[in-house]
Amino acid sequence: EPEVTQTPSHQVTQMGQEVILRCVPISNHLYFYWYRQILGQKVEFLVSFYNNEISEKSEIFDDQFSVERPDGSNFTLKIRSTKLEDSAMYFCASRERENTEAFFGQGTRLTVV
Amino acid sequence: AQTVTQSQPEMSVQEAETVTLSCTYDTSESDYYLFWYKQPPSRQMILVIRQEAYKQQNATENRFSVNFQKAAKSFSLKISDSQLGDAAMYFCAYRSTSGTYKYIFGTGTRLKVLA
Repeated sequence: EPEVTQTPSHQVTQMGQEVILRCVPISNHLYFYWYRQILGQKVEFLVSFYNNEISEKSEIFDDQFSVERPDGSNFTLKIRSTKLEDSAMYFCASRERENTEAFFGQGTRLTVV
Repeated sequence: AQTVTQSQPEMSVQEAETVTLSCTYDTSESDYYLFWYKQPPSRQMILVIRQEAYKQQNATENRFSVNFQKAAKSFSLKISDSQLGDAAMYFCAYRSTSGTYKYIFGTGTRLKVLA
């Protein structure tokens, strides 16, 4: 069964460093998302991406965040200068077309120290 | 804006018994989808069940069923014959049928299954 793959599963980074979280969506999917879950809290929407541009972003998704689909298969989330409060589980999701079910990756646990 | 509320931070159930997790939501839309996701300690998000708002019939998946009350904006999950493997965090989620189709999650209910 096709699945959304995220790498790495766990990343530890120093405060102030840049980090890139990688996702490989399901191959024929056209809509891509990033969500964040701070430990013990709910899953929150960060950004949606379609047709090579951001279609919606939340207030969490400030200037330190960016997304990219560099090569037609990967979908990345970059955090330019990490803060302690960026420590969270980050989930990538993708969907095939409008109004279809989204599939979630297994998540990347980001720890900022 | 849509909101999802789960008022039970934690629930416990005896193995083989039945438990119901509550979820309410608020929306002005008439068509939408509702979901229950299970998040075990691995923290992966696993889809348990899905309900389409325009369908009056409640969705069922094996031991999992929902009680969807559209007028009351209520969407509860019933787990029958609870098993130890059901222990997890359960999130209720809402998705619109327009816009960017993002999911809006509740705060979750931690389910403990007692042997």
